[in-house]
Amino acid sequence: DQQVKQNSPSLSVQEGRISILNCDYTNSMFDYFLWYKKYPAEGPTFLISISSIKDKNEDGRFTVFLNKSAKHLSLHIVPSQPGDSAVYFCAASEGNNDMRFGAGTRLTVKP
Amino acid sequence: DAGVIQSPRHEVTEMGQEVTLRCKPISGHDYLFWYRQTMMRGLELLIYFNNNVPIDDSGMPEDRFSAKMPNASFSTLKIQPSEPRDSAVYFCASSNGLVYEQYFGPGTRLTVT
Repeated sequence: DQQVKQNSPSLSVQEGRISILNCDYTNSMFDYFLWYKKYPAEGPTFLISISSIKDKNEDGRFTVFLNKSAKHLSLHIVPSQPGDSAVYFCAASEGNNDMRFGAGTRLTVKP
Repeated sequence: DAGVIQSPRHEVTEMGQEVTLRCKPISGHDYLFWYRQTMMRGLELLIYFNNNVPIDDSGMPEDRFSAKMPNASFSTLKIQPSEPRDSAVYFCASSNGLVYEQYFGPGTRLTVT
């Protein structure tokens, strides 16, 4: 049962443009959401997070938006850089219980 | 700190053999997680421990899989007997108090032929 879904397995954008990665979830009890970034041959690393009491969190070029009514969150990267090319995982947790991950979206930023 | 350490980094074995994956969490962390990454299902939680005690093992695929955490600095994930469909990258992660602030190891790539 996939409670966190990333329906786009891949995304390709031009350097300097905006990258938008999407994530949907089914569990309305999730109250904390995160994005992790993964390079080949490495483990995922934390990128940015958002609490369910907020609808936006920004950190430099990265912004996460949360739409609780639609059970949807997105990660915006502006401007995109070639070094952003990686697999991005969306994750969610309920309280301090385990975290559930999506299947990942492979982002390719072309120079 | 060295971060989460996993060994081996790569494992190739034949179907039916026993496989043991190892993990050393970050010192002081009280949560330890085992994940499996496949192309089809992405990153799946297999089991997690809090203070060396298994909390949720509902993600463990079947009885062939077992995990232990004998002390705060070491955990194993064992597959016996292994099957080709177990081929995946297995990640260990640890956190300190907060489940969602997890630090991942580099993973073990398992290939079962």
